[in-house]
Amino acid sequence: GAVVSQHPSWVICKSGTSVKIECRSLDFQATTMFWYRQFPKQSLMLMATSNEGSKATYEQGVEKDKFLINHASLTLSTLTVTSAHPEDSSFYICSARVAGQGRYGYTFGSGTRLTVV
Amino acid sequence: AQSVTQPDIHITVSEGASLELRCNYSYGATPYLFWYVQSPGQGLQLLLKYFSGDTLVQGIKGFEAEFKRSQSSFNLRKPSVHWSDAAEYFCAVGARSSNTGKLIFGQGTTLQVKP
Repeated sequence: GAVVSQHPSWVICKSGTSVKIECRSLDFQATTMFWYRQFPKQSLMLMATSNEGSKATYEQGVEKDKFLINHASLTLSTLTVTSAHPEDSSFYICSARVAGQGRYGYTFGSGTRLTVV
Repeated sequence: AQSVTQPDIHITVSEGASLELRCNYSYGATPYLFWYVQSPGQGLQLLLKYFSGDTLVQGIKGFEAEFKRSQSSFNLRKPSVHWSDAAEYFCAVGARSSNTGKLIFGQGTTLQVKP
């Protein structure tokens, strides 16, 4: 089946530094990628939607200059948390739309636990 | 506004017992409905979905869900829970008219299984 590989699975960084999270579709082309943020014991909140070769569409309240999303190829999308602060600590998950499975045919990455100290 | 409510934050059941996880939605029209499961530190796995047709939907791992339009509900059930079912469960909805395919998730229900 369609697999999305998300790396790293966890990362600890110092406040003020930037962190890049990668999501790769291993056996399919991901024309659309969704990025979610999940706080402990809470739901997934959509941050942005990215389409290959286009600028990402950010949800209301999400700082696009802080959370940089790049979807330069059909198999790779990245989320960079710039100038990270402790309040950015969270679980970040990507989800890729699988061609041929309809608008809601997704496969999710395994998530990245970001801790900013 | 569109919303999804999972009234039970945490449920504990004994292994072998039956399970029902509740999900209610508020939407302008009947949306597409989904149930996902998330193991600790992992991504989400689709259990089942409802688009149309038979309101009782069968999914993977022995789960089923029933869509009840009159109650705006899509409750998840399993007749006999296994210890490996312990996880976080999310109900989600998507608009039929959406071009983007965005999902709105409920708050999640944590399932604990007692031996």
